[in-house]
Amino acid sequence: AQSVTQLGSHVSVSEGALVLLRCNYSSSVPPYLFWYVQYPNQGLQLLLKYTSAATLVKGINGFEAEFKKSETSFHLTKPSAHMSDAAEYFCAVSPFMGRRALTFGSGTRLQVQP
Amino acid sequence: DTGVSQDPRHKITKRGQNVTFRCDPISEHNRLYWYRQTLGQGPEFLTYFQNEAQLEKSRLLSDRFSAERPKGSFSTLEIQRTEQGDSAMYLCASSPNIQREGRIHEQFFGPGTRLTVL
Repeated sequence: AQSVTQLGSHVSVSEGALVLLRCNYSSSVPPYLFWYVQYPNQGLQLLLKYTSAATLVKGINGFEAEFKKSETSFHLTKPSAHMSDAAEYFCAVSPFMGRRALTFGSGTRLQVQP
Repeated sequence: DTGVSQDPRHKITKRGQNVTFRCDPISEHNRLYWYRQTLGQGPEFLTYFQNEAQLEKSRLLSDRFSAERPKGSFSTLEIQRTEQGDSAMYLCASSPNIQREGRIHEQFFGPGTRLTVL
């Protein structure tokens, strides 16, 4: 069984400030981990993924995430927030084997203040 | 990639009516997934196909829901006798079955169909 917990349903930062969105996972098998972004009334776009290669993963739009097995975490960061980063962010997990359907967290809405 | 497309983008219906949604995956992808997303929540898995075979259904998929993928190309999701609780965004995603250019396990999502049941 797998699950994902995203701490903080809403995060607000100032433009130019550090963005930190938290994700903890639970999985009985080695997982693949993903971060997706969703803009209003749109589908999900993949930001980055961890697939057991490097533990520090770089994605699009300046985002990166670090896989920490000891902490079962996969937090998303960006050094400097832009207004265009305002969106809903979802962390997701899928098993290494099997159907590989994604199990999503409940999401974190990021607001960027001018 | 031309992207995953879904039709319609919005559907408003009255309780008790039947609705059908269509998903066209990326052409060379043989895995297709349906998810449901309610307001303020992450998407939840409904069902998935490998080619034309429906390999798994979530317990969220009641007997009023049926999905098909004839010939392993586009897929349809039908909801019979809709209820207000069916109001949600229905998302379709596709992925390749084999490792390709490092895109293993990556699912590409369509824009979704937003269903409102009155």
